Amino acid sequence: AQSVSQHNHHVILSEAASLELGCNYSYGGTVNLFWYVQYPGQHLQLLLKYFSGDPLVKGIKGFEAEFIKSKFSFNLRKPSVQWSDTAEYFCALTYGNNRLAFGKGNQVVVIP
Amino acid sequence: DSGVTQTPKHLITATGQRVTLRCSPRSGDLSVYWYQQSLDQGLQFLIQYYNGEERAKGNILERFSAQQFPDLHSELNLSSLELGDSALYFCASSVETGNTIYFGEGSWLTVV
Repeated sequence: AQSVSQHNHHVILSEAASLELGCNYSYGGTVNLFWYVQYPGQHLQLLLKYFSGDPLVKGIKGFEAEFIKSKFSFNLRKPSVQWSDTAEYFCALTYGNNRLAFGKGNQVVVIP
Repeated sequence: DSGVTQTPKHLITATGQRVTLRCSPRSGDLSVYWYQQSLDQGLQFLIQYYNGEERAKGNILERFSAQQFPDLHSELNLSSLELGDSALYFCASSVETGNTIYFGEGSWLTVV
């Protein structure tokens, strides 16, 4: 069975601090991995995705993620956060017919 | 704007009632997915359609049903509503298996 684990569900940090959100997955097949962001009151937006190739993936708004196959991880990073990065972040993988399995999310609050 | 359109954006209804949520996928996308987001369950996959055919079922209750029409729009029908059905219901679409999934803005359902 597939699963996605995200830790540190609530993260509070100051502007200009660096952010790293952990994501570990369990899946027996070829894995496609995603990070989605949900700003307050809004829908899910795709931040970045990994299908194959370079394990270091760059997304929108200065985010990047690194796929480490040996660790079953796909951690999200941003070197310097802004207040506008306050949001909930979801790691996900696709399985069987392109369904998404989501982690429980990380609520990130950036203090100005 | 993801290109996935959902209506209505907000809906308040009483227990025991039936509602229909509507989704128009991105132009050219053949797959439509429905997800439920609630505080206690997180993001849960409900059901997937591909070019009018049901392709996969997830944690969808028997009181809920969906369909995809020839013009590829989809409807999610929720009946005999209970308080616990209050949630944000997302529709998403993709070209087909193995492609990125894009989400609509969601339909907020409140059952009172």
